[in-house]
Amino acid sequence: QQQVKQSPQSLIVQKGGISIINCAYENTAFDYFPWYQQFPGKGPALLIAIRPDVSEKKEGRFTISFNKSAKQFSLHIMDSQPGDSATYFCAATDSGAGSYQLTFGKGTKLSVIP
Amino acid sequence: DSGVTQTPKHLITATGQRVTLRCSPRSGDLSVYWYQQSLDQGLQFLIQYYNGEERAKGNILERFSAQQFPDLHSELNLSSLELGDSALYFCASNPEWGLDTGELFFGEGSRLTVL
Repeated sequence: QQQVKQSPQSLIVQKGGISIINCAYENTAFDYFPWYQQFPGKGPALLIAIRPDVSEKKEGRFTISFNKSAKQFSLHIMDSQPGDSATYFCAATDSGAGSYQLTFGKGTKLSVIP
Repeated sequence: DSGVTQTPKHLITATGQRVTLRCSPRSGDLSVYWYQQSLDQGLQFLIQYYNGEERAKGNILERFSAQQFPDLHSELNLSSLELGDSALYFCASNPEWGLDTGELFFGEGSRLTVL
């Protein structure tokens, strides 16, 4: 099963709050889990990524938490800002197959209100 | 700016027609990926080329085909178009498979509307 399930579909957070987006996968061969950010009219851009040998990765206000046994990973955006308003996609791939063909979740539209 | 160039940005055509979408990857990137983004299906992987050869295939319809040329640019051909083919088509590139980062650089997409 190649699916990556993402929730919630949309999220409204007040400025300064924490935004949390969750994803779950089924394919145990997946070994690379990136998050992409997409603004209207633009292509997705890599935000942060993790491999299953670590349980957490932090870059600035963005943190990925990874639970290998549960096959779940999540994105936390601390101190959310209006400029973070965008659609966020989780993704996964089996990089050992020699390709970074990503299986994407269906996206979460985040709105950060002042 | 990701460095990936896609043309045209917008395209309106009729059912049954054929269109070609073009992608120039970032300078030096050998791999090109094509994705389709629709409201109900999200981002779907279509096909990957690496240095001119097909590397991986996703849920690409038989009516669709792609190729990568010696100068590394790629074209996605969509034929016998149907209303359901209306979507954003993204091209992405990365330097070469096997690199640890796996970051894909996406273009701004080609929006196809089939009437």
